[in-house]
Amino acid sequence: GAGVSQSPSNKVTEKGKDVELRCDPISGHTALYWYRQRLGQGLEFLIYFQGNSAPDKSGLPSDRFSAERTGESVSTLTIQRTQQEDSAVYLCASSLAGDGEQYFGPGTRLTVT
Amino acid sequence: RKEVEQDPGPFNVPEGATVAFNCTYSNSASQSFFWYRQDCRKEPKLLMSVYSSGNEDGRFTAQLNRASQYISLLIRDSKLSDSATYLCAVNSWGKLQFGAGTQVVVTP
Repeated sequence: GAGVSQSPSNKVTEKGKDVELRCDPISGHTALYWYRQRLGQGLEFLIYFQGNSAPDKSGLPSDRFSAERTGESVSTLTIQRTQQEDSAVYLCASSLAGDGEQYFGPGTRLTVT
Repeated sequence: RKEVEQDPGPFNVPEGATVAFNCTYSNSASQSFFWYRQDCRKEPKLLMSVYSSGNEDGRFTAQLNRASQYISLLIRDSKLSDSATYLCAVNSWGKLQFGAGTQVVVTP
């Protein structure tokens, strides 16, 4: 079946611009996660959705970052006024339940120039 | 202290040899454990779940030690294609926490 998909696969943007990253989870998966991974670093948790609500936003690095999920499916991560330190791969994962195994999408590689 | 810790390596392993490495976790109430594999510039892929009794999948064996709060992964008869970063994931406070990964390099 279809896995987690993310778009765009690559995004180059100028400092100060806003970007939107999209994630389509596996059908039927109620839990959805966003992570950030800088080059050579580990996964940095950003936000977790259970259904349409976000019980854990503790990883969002600043108020420039926000995310929403509609219809218990698609999620969008928005970064406003991008900075160079936002450059990273943004990974989305989904799971059947909140503490179950997660399946990752291919990521969006964001480069802020 | 991080909730999930791994030796970053690299573990340099001759082809055909066995390599094993651990992942420690701090939350004694953790209930689910996983190993992921991440290739360079790719997303993590689920390798295997870790069960209380230990489990094996081909050349890969995972163990859980609740008393000492660690999980382990053993790779037998290493192949060049096993070169990757191995991430452990532990359920903690209702969500999975990932370790930073252990790099394994299998050499000819």
